[in-house]
Amino acid sequence: QQQVKQSPQSLIVQKGGISIINCAYENTAFDYFPWYQQFPGKGPALLIAIRPDVSEKKEGRFTISFNKSAKQFSLHIMDSQPGDSATYFCAASKPANTGNQFYFGTGTSLTVIP
Amino acid sequence: DGGITQSPKYLFRKEGQNVTLSCEQNLNHDAMYWYRQDPGQGLRLIYYSQIVNDFQKGDIAEGYSVSREKKESFPLTVTSAQKNPTAFYLCASSTSGRGQPQHFGDGTRLSIL
Repeated sequence: QQQVKQSPQSLIVQKGGISIINCAYENTAFDYFPWYQQFPGKGPALLIAIRPDVSEKKEGRFTISFNKSAKQFSLHIMDSQPGDSATYFCAASKPANTGNQFYFGTGTSLTVIP
Repeated sequence: DGGITQSPKYLFRKEGQNVTLSCEQNLNHDAMYWYRQDPGQGLRLIYYSQIVNDFQKGDIAEGYSVSREKKESFPLTVTSAQKNPTAFYLCASSTSGRGQPQHFGDGTRLSIL
């Protein structure tokens, strides 16, 4: 059972446009929501993260919007650039007796067309 | 620079052979994790460890084994019992405490000869 559902699976955006990737979860025990960016042949790199006590977090061109009541969060990439072309993963973590447990979405392949 | 080093970058396994993937971190992180990445399936947790000499099975532990003899090292052995080992393997680490991110290495791609 997928704990974090991510959509779309792939996305094509024109340079300068806005890329939007959505994620949804069910478990209210999740208390940390990071987004990762992965280039081919590389490991995921932390892009931006949010905790459920805020509704939005912005870092440069990247913004997370968080809707606690709907159990949804999304990544917005403003002024998308060809260099943003990568796979993006949302994730959610919760504390557990054996340490933090992370659950990942299935990824979105973003292509930014020049 | 602090980080996570995975080796080798590419690995080939023969039928019936066990292979070991290395993961070393110098971030002084307590927790370490192994994930398997297949196309379209995201990251699936194999094993994780919160402290030295202790580890727990993840969602897909069958056919894999780990050890955590040192804080810095968390090697993964893919045994011959793992019938479909071809995948991209990622090691990650994080500090303890709530709401801490994972940091990933650059992965090892394992293929069958």
